[in-house]
Amino acid sequence: NAGVTQTPKFRVLKTGQSMTLLCAQDMNHEYMYWYRQDPGMGLRLIHYSVGEGTTAKGEVPDGYNVSRLKKQNFLLGLESAAPSQTSVYFCASSLLGRNQPQHFGDGTRLSIL
Amino acid sequence: GESVGLHLPTLSVQEGDNSIINCAYSNSASDYFIWYKQESGKGPQFIIDIRSNMDKRQGQRVTVLLNKTVKHLSLQIAATQPGDSAVYFCAEKVNTNAGKSTFGDGTTLTVKP
Repeated sequence: NAGVTQTPKFRVLKTGQSMTLLCAQDMNHEYMYWYRQDPGMGLRLIHYSVGEGTTAKGEVPDGYNVSRLKKQNFLLGLESAAPSQTSVYFCASSLLGRNQPQHFGDGTRLSIL
Repeated sequence: GESVGLHLPTLSVQEGDNSIINCAYSNSASDYFIWYKQESGKGPQFIIDIRSNMDKRQGQRVTVLLNKTVKHLSLQIAATQPGDSAVYFCAEKVNTNAGKSTFGDGTTLTVKP
């Protein structure tokens, strides 16, 4: 089992460029999440999805959009990248139901110049 | 608002000693708690969890204690090894809240040989 796979692993963008980060999970999990992690800080929730075709805003959604067209995939888009979006982005998934931990990918390191 | 915090950002221990990492939470509605380990360049990895109807849970070399009276969570690692060096995050979850977890800022554990 691959678990949660994120692509790409690294990317450098110029201010104003757009890009999409892809998250794929093979565990048939209902819930999926996108977080950002900044130096010395914990994980902050950007957007999440409780099922195929549904998305919702998290703690820091501004400047990002998401889509969940297929249950196994959760895409995070940056329409017009800004230096403040330089961060490490983590995708996670979990099963529906009580007392379920999240399973994380290994992150996408994104630098915006 | 809800927050989860760790008491110390860094902890250094000798190999073979026991480690204790602490976490305070503020949401009295939280009913599920998780500890994650994050190694350099990797995503957070599930270590152990505990439900709010428990006050102690043991795993292999790890024990989690929950004190709901003072909203405190701790992770104990027995006979700490160099491979335990990582950042440790606590997370809390309200089971009815779409699977979302709130993460603390993390404690960096360094194990000295």
